[in-house]
Amino acid sequence: NAGVTQTPKFQVLKTGQSMTLQCAQDMNHNSMYWYRQDPGMGLRLIYYSASEGTTDKGEVPNGYNVSRLNKREFSLRLESAAPSQTSVYFCASSEPIEQFFGPGTRLTVL
Amino acid sequence: AQKVTQAQTEISVVEKEDVTLDCVYETRDTTYYLFWYKQPPSGELVFLIRRNSFDEQNEISGRYSWNFQKSTSSFNFTITASQVVDSAVYFCALKEGSNYQLIWGAGTKLIIKP
Repeated sequence: NAGVTQTPKFQVLKTGQSMTLQCAQDMNHNSMYWYRQDPGMGLRLIYYSASEGTTDKGEVPNGYNVSRLNKREFSLRLESAAPSQTSVYFCASSEPIEQFFGPGTRLTVL
Repeated sequence: AQKVTQAQTEISVVEKEDVTLDCVYETRDTTYYLFWYKQPPSGELVFLIRRNSFDEQNEISGRYSWNFQKSTSSFNFTITASQVVDSAVYFCALKEGSNYQLIWGAGTKLIIKP
């Protein structure tokens, strides 16, 4: 039982490049989330998926897209990366209340 | 509007001291949930506790205890006989009844000196 897994752990991009962050959970949770964490701050919600087949914007969705591929997987895509997207990205899942987090992806955009 | 305030940005104590981390929340919902998470230097987020708005019982788990007071909208976290391994950033968070979003405090960095 791995919980929530994320790939990659680290990534460096150049401005304008695109990439997809992958997230998978094996806890059979319905809801999944993508957050970003900037230095000295709490987490901010980018997008969430209440259940398979649905996605909704969170607090800071601009510059991102998501796909809920199936119940297990929820990916986050940066179409044209910008330096302001340098952050640590966390994926989480919940059923139904407390959220459990993956280890995070540290992304740097140069 | 919902909000979580952790006024203590950083706390530093010597090992074995007791330390309390403060959390004050704002919400208009009558049904809500409060959480504490730990983020050690390794970076992962570890769930510690959830409290429901309709349950004001305090909770103790080993050296950790939580004091939930609706009258003051506070959900404070106390570590008794602190240890170096308790060094981490601790986040308080709020979830309103039917809302999927967690509202996070800015976190308190706890430093335990040997």
